[in-house]
Amino acid sequence: KAGVTQTPRYLIKTRGQQVTLSCSPISGHRSVSWYQQTPGQGLQFLFEYFSETQRNKGNFPGRFSGRQFSNSRSEMNVSTLELGDSALYLCASSLGGAVDTQYFGPGTRLTVL
Amino acid sequence: AQTVTQSQPEMSVQEAETVTLSCTYDTSENNYYLFWYKQPPSRQMILVIRQEAYKQQNATENRFSVNFQKAAKSFSLKISDSQLGDTAMYFCAFMKHEKSGGGADGLTFGKGTHLIIQP
Repeated sequence: KAGVTQTPRYLIKTRGQQVTLSCSPISGHRSVSWYQQTPGQGLQFLFEYFSETQRNKGNFPGRFSGRQFSNSRSEMNVSTLELGDSALYLCASSLGGAVDTQYFGPGTRLTVL
Repeated sequence: AQTVTQSQPEMSVQEAETVTLSCTYDTSENNYYLFWYKQPPSRQMILVIRQEAYKQQNATENRFSVNFQKAAKSFSLKISDSQLGDTAMYFCAFMKHEKSGGGADGLTFGKGTHLIIQP
């Protein structure tokens, strides 16, 4: 089975712009979770989508949003980018049960100038 | 809210040695799961091992095993016969169990331990 894929792998944006990141889960997985990884804050949970609905949300401002499509692919959008949004954004997929192991993609490295 | 603490920012051992990485957590939940993930320089997060809190038996996966002490809220990872390819950041993570099946609040991660295996 193919693993979790994320596109693009690298992205450079300027402050004030918006960005969309994409994640394709493992075939058969219906849950997609997003995480932000920075040197200062470490790994933090952004949100989780299941069956096209946001099921859980971390403590991030409304500039961070996402969606999930009927094929379980998910996108994450960050509007009005700030320098502090520079991070590795990781996507993880799971079957979607109460506690299913999450399998991670390679991440998208976002740099905000 | 849950917290996960990894008190060793960096460790270095010789190849073939055994090494133990520490992790403690704080939670008021009784039903939860614990994980160790490995993140090599490629940045791909890889699951190493998983432990269900309701199970008393410690999980093992080949050279990797855990020492789970629920009362002490401790979850250490032991790597036996360490190999150069084990060099990576290791993250301890917590996830609470949602009985309703409504998903969980995501993984709560520790800050990580950078493990270096020396030849």
